[in-house]
Amino acid sequence: AIQLTQSPSSLSASLGDRVTITCRASQGVSSSLAWYQQKPGKPPKLLIYHASSLISGVPSRFSGSGSGTDFTLTISSLQPEDFATYYCQQFNTYLPITFGQGTRLEIK
Amino acid sequence: QVQLQESGPGLVKPSETLSLTCSVSGDSISTYYWNWIRQPPGKGLEWIGSIYYSGSTNSNPSLKSRVTLSVDTSKNHFSLKLTSVTAADTAFYYCARGSPYFDYWGQGTLVTVSS
Repeated sequence: AIQLTQSPSSLSASLGDRVTITCRASQGVSSSLAWYQQKPGKPPKLLIYHASSLISGVPSRFSGSGSGTDFTLTISSLQPEDFATYYCQQFNTYLPITFGQGTRLEIK
Repeated sequence: QVQLQESGPGLVKPSETLSLTCSVSGDSISTYYWNWIRQPPGKGLEWIGSIYYSGSTNSNPSLKSRVTLSVDTSKNHFSLKLTSVTAADTAFYYCARGSPYFDYWGQGTLVTVSS
């Protein structure tokens, strides 16, 4: 299975900060990568798919980039509702879908 | 508005079979792929498997020998059976729509494996 390693595992930031979370795949996944946001007691919410395509209704302060093995999720200006845990997820035709271990974003 | 709702026992004894159903409303199950994903309390996400309305399935090799997925188009729902459960199978179980990305999720149901 393809392993996804997110960094950092946790992050403290302030309102208005620009934040970047990295996801590294153990082998290339082309652009088949998504990002999810999860708040306590809730299911994950799809933010970005195909590495950089923003889901309709997701604020434009969220953006994704990368291809192959290295990907990033950037939040340009943190808002109170952005404090959550973020997961990346990959898809490869011949291997199981896997998720990163998560990045917990906390208020500084 | 697409909605998914998991249902099933919240407590299962070790070595027994976990059975869950996901009821879909606002969309026909005869479109898209439908998935099961689980999350042990306080931990990360694990994809269990997916099923298409035709009955075609794909499962995580780590669980494949214990997983059975089925779909009932007449009831617009799909189901998961996980056999020979242990405490390691204690988790929130989510159903979700889509392949390869999951755009709609159920609220999740906690299944505890304990005697």
